[in-house]
Amino acid sequence: AQSVSQHNHHVILSEAASLELGCNYSYGGTVNLFWYVQYPGQHLQLLLKYFSGDPLVKGIKGFEAEFIKSKFSFNLRKPSVQWSDTAEYFCAVNARDYKLSFGAGTTVTVRA
Amino acid sequence: SQTIHQWPATLVQPVGSPLSLECTVEGTSNPNLYWYRQAAGRGLQLLFYSVGIGQISSEVPQNLSASRPQDRQFILSSKKLLLSDSGFYLCAWSRGPYVSYNSPLHFGNGTRLTVT
Repeated sequence: AQSVSQHNHHVILSEAASLELGCNYSYGGTVNLFWYVQYPGQHLQLLLKYFSGDPLVKGIKGFEAEFIKSKFSFNLRKPSVQWSDTAEYFCAVNARDYKLSFGAGTTVTVRA
Repeated sequence: SQTIHQWPATLVQPVGSPLSLECTVEGTSNPNLYWYRQAAGRGLQLLFYSVGIGQISSEVPQNLSASRPQDRQFILSSKKLLLSDSGFYLCAWSRGPYVSYNSPLHFGNGTRLTVT
């Protein structure tokens, strides 16, 4: 079974700072990769996804993620965060079966 | 478009009482359905999934059970709640047959369960 590691439990940064959240997975085969976001009081939403093609994926709200196959990583980035990016972010991996495995999540707090 | 409904939003139950959480999906047929539990700092743990009516797969042995009496209805139950059952429960759906790039998971708003 695949496992997912998110390196940061809580990240605090100021508006306009750059954000990078690490995600590593353990599975040697072909995977589908996802980042989900949960804003305070809201449901989990899909931020972006990747299966193949350009390893730099662009999602909603200015987020992007880079897939590095050799490092089994799928890191999330945003060049300049806003206060509204305060949320919990989850990396998830699927090995083309019924299940989606999630990381422990990273809480991002953006200070105005 | 597809929507997923989950209720109740919050629930406070005494230890030893039964539990029934319901989830329904609209706008699609034969979805895969999932129950996850979210714990602070531990991400989302898959509890059950179902690929069809009456078909339930359990991921974690526990005090809970799931049922799918209708195509778009998924129920999480317990006969006697434990304190450790407290948590945030999320229902989700995806198109079959597998979760994939083209069939990501879509989540409901969740139920905050507190067992006292």
